[in-house]
Amino acid sequence: DAMVIQNPRYQVTQFGKPVTLSCSQTLNHNVMYWYQQKSSQAPKLLFHYYDKDFNNEADTPDNFQSRRPNTSFCFLDIRSPGLGDAAMYLCATRLQGDRETQYFGPGTRLLVL
Amino acid sequence: AQKITQTQPGMFVQEKEAVTLDCTYDTSDPSYGLFWYKQPSSGEMIFLIYQGSYDQQNATEGRYSLNFQKARKSANLVISASQLGDSAMYFCAMRTRMDSSYKLIFGSGTRLLVRP
Repeated sequence: DAMVIQNPRYQVTQFGKPVTLSCSQTLNHNVMYWYQQKSSQAPKLLFHYYDKDFNNEADTPDNFQSRRPNTSFCFLDIRSPGLGDAAMYLCATRLQGDRETQYFGPGTRLLVL
Repeated sequence: AQKITQTQPGMFVQEKEAVTLDCTYDTSDPSYGLFWYKQPSSGEMIFLIYQGSYDQQNATEGRYSLNFQKARKSANLVISASQLGDSAMYFCAMRTRMDSSYKLIFGSGTRLLVRP
């Protein structure tokens, strides 16, 4: 029944070792978002896809990249994780016109050693 | 400037009682949407309730209701008959049409603890 799925739920990586987080959705929503959420803070938008169009936030570091090979899947690549990148990463989807509500996945907790 | 303010970092409520979580917003856009999300310790952001700026009536979803005071720019969440499972972080968020990409602006959150 899960509609927005994120894998893995927990990810441990080493300083500087590339890591990929994945998000998939069964809602057929055309917009997908990636957020970073650090402890006791609000989610911070990294980027989003409107259909195939990629939109990067101005303050998102170059270390963060994203791919969306099809409607259902979206990936977050962290090329060289630093200790400051340890956080919860949330994926969300939205269907254009549907009150603009974003539906979130369960998140991936990233730990950088 | 668009901004969401949640002034209560933490709240306590007794089980079965009602609780109000405060949210004020600021925007110059006449068309906007307000959302409340619940985030348990597991981390998932759960959509609770939505209020559109042109909606005439306050939104309700089960035990959740949104007290929308447009002139005061407030959108408080009311949880009736609190349950232990309501203990979580609650975020108020706003979407404005000025931003064509419909990004959400989040408040800093309120941590609610329900006492048995």
